[in-house]
Amino acid sequence: GESVGLHLPTLSVQEGDNSIINCAYSNSASDYFIWYKQESGKGPQFIIDIRSNMDKRQGQRVTVLLNKTVKHLSLQIAATQPGDSAVYFCAETPYNQGGKLIFGQGTELSVKP
Amino acid sequence: GAGVSQTPSNKVTEKGKYVELRCDPISGHTALYWYRQSLGQGPEFLIYFQGTGAADDSGLPNDRFFAVRPEGSVSTLKIQRTERGDSAVYLCASSGTGGTEAFFGQGTRLTVV
Repeated sequence: GESVGLHLPTLSVQEGDNSIINCAYSNSASDYFIWYKQESGKGPQFIIDIRSNMDKRQGQRVTVLLNKTVKHLSLQIAATQPGDSAVYFCAETPYNQGGKLIFGQGTELSVKP
Repeated sequence: GAGVSQTPSNKVTEKGKYVELRCDPISGHTALYWYRQSLGQGPEFLIYFQGTGAADDSGLPNDRFFAVRPEGSVSTLKIQRTERGDSAVYLCASSGTGGTEAFFGQGTRLTVV
């Protein structure tokens, strides 16, 4: 069945270091991928997205890489800050399913000062 | 309002009771989604509305769950004969016409005792 999963459930980094969060997906028909950040007690917050016709997209301090060959997605956070501490989810939208999102389990990022 | 609003923020109910959870999407957003999130898991898709109609209800776990969006704006998720396994955070999201970024509310934490 369709699934989106994460390689690491927890990630601890030092403030100022770069963070890399990985995600594997199984539905090769997906055409849109999103990273969400979720803080405790809050709903998921959009970080960055990428379409399947792209390999890389950059935002402010964040970069998403998409490798369709191995169905792998990663989120890179530059100069990680304490405010980046949260659970990060990757999500995919299967083609022609109206924007319905399939989420992975999540990775908890902990930033040490 | 400025964002997606969900009420109540917390709901405790007894097993077997009926509950209604409300979602006010961002004004003008045509697409509305309901997700359910268990502790430590990613959100799980329940149902998707485009306007007033349910375009995809494939995620509803059984016929105890029902959702409506009669005027294409506010939506209500209804759960009959609640069970302890229904305990979770219920998230609502909305997105605009042609837009793929979904904005989430803070969720309703449902506890069935």
